[in-house]
Amino acid sequence: EAGVAQSPRYKIIEKRQSVAFWCNPISGHATLYWYQQILGQGPKLLIQFQNNGVVDDSQLPKDRFSAERLKGVDSTLKIQPAKLEDSAVYLCASRHPLRGTFGTEAFFGQGTRLTVV
Amino acid sequence: SQQGEEDPQALSIQEGENATMNCSYKTSINNLQWYRQNSGRGLVHLILIRSNEREKHSGRLRVTLDTSKKSSSLLITASRAADTASYFCATDKPGTASKLTFGTGTRLQVTL
Repeated sequence: EAGVAQSPRYKIIEKRQSVAFWCNPISGHATLYWYQQILGQGPKLLIQFQNNGVVDDSQLPKDRFSAERLKGVDSTLKIQPAKLEDSAVYLCASRHPLRGTFGTEAFFGQGTRLTVV
Repeated sequence: SQQGEEDPQALSIQEGENATMNCSYKTSINNLQWYRQNSGRGLVHLILIRSNEREKHSGRLRVTLDTSKKSSSLLITASRAADTASYFCATDKPGTASKLTFGTGTRLQVTL
């Protein structure tokens, strides 16, 4: 089974520039997450999709971040304009929706390391 | 916001020793999961324990869950240098459409 694919792996941009990240989840996984992980911290959920609908985007800085998941498969996360504090690893993950009461594991991509200078 | 907090933040042991890390969380859960992250890589799922389970084993891993104390522990027995990584707990809360919330992590260093 192919894993979660993310690109690019690394990106360096200047502040105020724009950047976009791409994610292709595991086939059949309806749930897709984007996390931001700042160095030394745990992953912080930015947005969660169920198919092509947004379930949770409460921690997404909507003035500069946007995300979409057209056709309920691939997803893109965009930052415009970037700030220095956006330097982090952006992780995409997918999983089956909640099965019964107890749920299942999530599968992560390798992440995109963003450096804003 | 972080749901869980791991303790200790960092742990250094020698190969062959056991490593124990703890996770505390704030609200009721459907399940609690542990993930490993090698430097610069994505997270890898290790084990999932349901809210109605108290203990679970997988190879050299042993996880316990105490829902009354809202805490979990991960024990790695007979550690190896390859176990060097960061370990995170993550929780699924009821009624949140499988929202997965991570803790702050424990950095484990296993030396030869």
